[in-house]
Amino acid sequence: KNQVEQSPQSLIILEGKNCTLQCNYTVSPFSNLRWYKQDTGRGPVSLTIMTFSENTKSNGRYTATLDADTKQSSLHITASQLSDSASYICVVSEFLGGFKTIFGAGTRLFVKA
Amino acid sequence: DTGVSQDPRHKITKRGQNVTFRCDPISEHNRLYWYRQTLGQGPEFLTYFQNEAQLEKSRLLSDRFSAERPKGSFSTLEIQRTEQGDSAMYLCASSLDLSGAEGELFFGEGSRLTVL
Repeated sequence: KNQVEQSPQSLIILEGKNCTLQCNYTVSPFSNLRWYKQDTGRGPVSLTIMTFSENTKSNGRYTATLDADTKQSSLHITASQLSDSASYICVVSEFLGGFKTIFGAGTRLFVKA
Repeated sequence: DTGVSQDPRHKITKRGQNVTFRCDPISEHNRLYWYRQTLGQGPEFLTYFQNEAQLEKSRLLSDRFSAERPKGSFSTLEIQRTEQGDSAMYLCASSLDLSGAEGELFFGEGSRLTVL
């Protein structure tokens, strides 16, 4: 069964610190992997998208990595800010005749002053 | 605002009542998706449209749920005889898919349903 698992489930860090969120998937055949940020009560907003051939992609203080061999991705947040407090959702798309997206449950990040 | 818009943002209803949510996608997007999200979980796929055609429905979409996209533009999601388990955030997303290439998903702010 195609699955996307994220860890940790939640994380508390101090403002200014770095953190790394993990995503493991079993989706096959793989098409692309995306990270979304979702503020409480809002819709998800795309941070990065990576295809099979891409190992890393950055968006400001957010850097995503992808290891398609081990089926793992990480999202690294540098110099965290209070506004980074949100859920971060890993989404993997498979292509089997058509695209299908599978969402992880998300990691809830709390940045404290 | 040229993003995906959803209406209403919040809906409180009594069990057994019908509710309808509306989604206006980004105008040039040909695909429109509906998702349901409960607290602490990622969005769960409900259904999607390619223009006006409803191409896939999840088994989560019971007979009480119906979605339409009559002119290939806006879409509605209706829930009949609501149950407390229907309480969730209903998210709409749209994308522009060309020649088999998957477009980026743009989400609306969601419609939060509370069934009392």
